[in-house]
Amino acid sequence: SQTIHQWPATLVQPVGSPLSLECTVEGTSNPNLYWYRQAAGRGLQLLFYSVGIGQISSEVPQNLSASRPQDRQFILSSKKLLLSDSGFYLCAWSPGQGYTFGSGTRLTVV
Amino acid sequence: AQKVTQAQTEISVVEKEDVTLDCVYETRDTTYYLFWYKQPPSGELVFLIRRNSFDEQNEISGRYSWNFQKSTSSFNFTITASQVVDSAVYFCALSDVDTGRRALTFGSGTRLQVQP
Repeated sequence: SQTIHQWPATLVQPVGSPLSLECTVEGTSNPNLYWYRQAAGRGLQLLFYSVGIGQISSEVPQNLSASRPQDRQFILSSKKLLLSDSGFYLCAWSPGQGYTFGSGTRLTVV
Repeated sequence: AQKVTQAQTEISVVEKEDVTLDCVYETRDTTYYLFWYKQPPSGELVFLIRRNSFDEQNEISGRYSWNFQKSTSSFNFTITASQVVDSAVYFCALSDVDTGRRALTFGSGTRLQVQP
């Protein structure tokens, strides 16, 4: 079966610290992968998407970066977190016209 | 550019009432998909329905029904006989098909509170 794993579930990080969020999918190959962010009380904003290994497209300028070192692995990173990076981060994958979301990471930058 | 508008920020109803959540979208694509997701307090996104742009038939699933009207670019969601467990934030979303991106554009969400 096809599943998506995202961790950690919650994270509290100080301003200026690095960040690494990981997302992996199972049971599929060559999916489109996505990182979304949801600020408190807001909708979901697409941050990055990837159509293949090493192929990353950024939707909005920001303090974050993404990488796809393997077909089913998608990583969201930052070298130095800002307060404005706080939010709920969701990874998603799409093999076609359906979308499955991970359980999310709630990031609080203090 | 694609856009999804959910004008209702928050709706509060009493249990057993019917409630309709509105969704209006904008796209230049001729082929696209529309979605509804439920986000309970735990945060995960629960898939409810997907509808492609060529299928304007309304759909009913239990207490849930969806009305897709291409002429008004709307894809509204009705919950019949609402229950407390329906309390959540509901998102309407639009997917592009004609590009490799195939990403979802979300509306800002409607928070539904069902009071007992």
